[in-house]
Amino acid sequence: ELKVEQNPLFLSMQEGKNYTIYCNYSTTSDRLYWYRQDPGKSLESLFVLLSNGAVKQEGRLMASLDTKARLSTLHITAAVHDLSATYFCAVGKADSNYQLIWGAGTKLIIKP
Amino acid sequence: DTEVTQTPKHLVMGMTNKKSLKCEQHMGHRAMYWYKQKAKKPPELMFVYSYEKLSINESVPSRFSPECPNSSLLNLHLHALQPEDSALYLCASSPFTGELFFGEGSRLTVL
Repeated sequence: ELKVEQNPLFLSMQEGKNYTIYCNYSTTSDRLYWYRQDPGKSLESLFVLLSNGAVKQEGRLMASLDTKARLSTLHITAAVHDLSATYFCAVGKADSNYQLIWGAGTKLIIKP
Repeated sequence: DTEVTQTPKHLVMGMTNKKSLKCEQHMGHRAMYWYKQKAKKPPELMFVYSYEKLSINESVPSRFSPECPNSSLLNLHLHALQPEDSALYLCASSPFTGELFFGEGSRLTVL
């Protein structure tokens, strides 16, 4: 059974600092997604990672995927307040084109 | 701006009411989804339509009834809901990559 663990679940950090959110999963998958959710809002797709070694960057966020280690990271560089949100990783089930297993989410608060 | 449009944004209904949530996308995606999200939790998959056919029903109670009239529209019919069904209901569509494009959601309160 595919399980997805995110850590940390809560992160409070200062502006200008760097930090990493980790997403571990338990069985083979070749699809991993990162989403952002602002309070009271819907989810926004950030990154789609479809192969081992995939690295995607958008602004101060960079995501990577290591399928052998079953690990994805979301790295935040020089954090700014606008990045405060909850970040979810979601992993595709190997036997389904549509079903994702979601991490619990990481609530990120960036203080000025 | 989201390209998946959901209506209504807010809905309050009694346990004996019948209401519907509507979703529309014009990105040509052939897969459409209903998710339910409770506060501080990840979204939970309810239904998936692929090429207008119901592909996945995640053991959702029959008081929730999905409908896909065409490739751009997705409805969720609600009847005899319970207070614990209060949640944010999210519609999404996806291309072949599986990346989900979510609508803004319909926030449902059941009294």
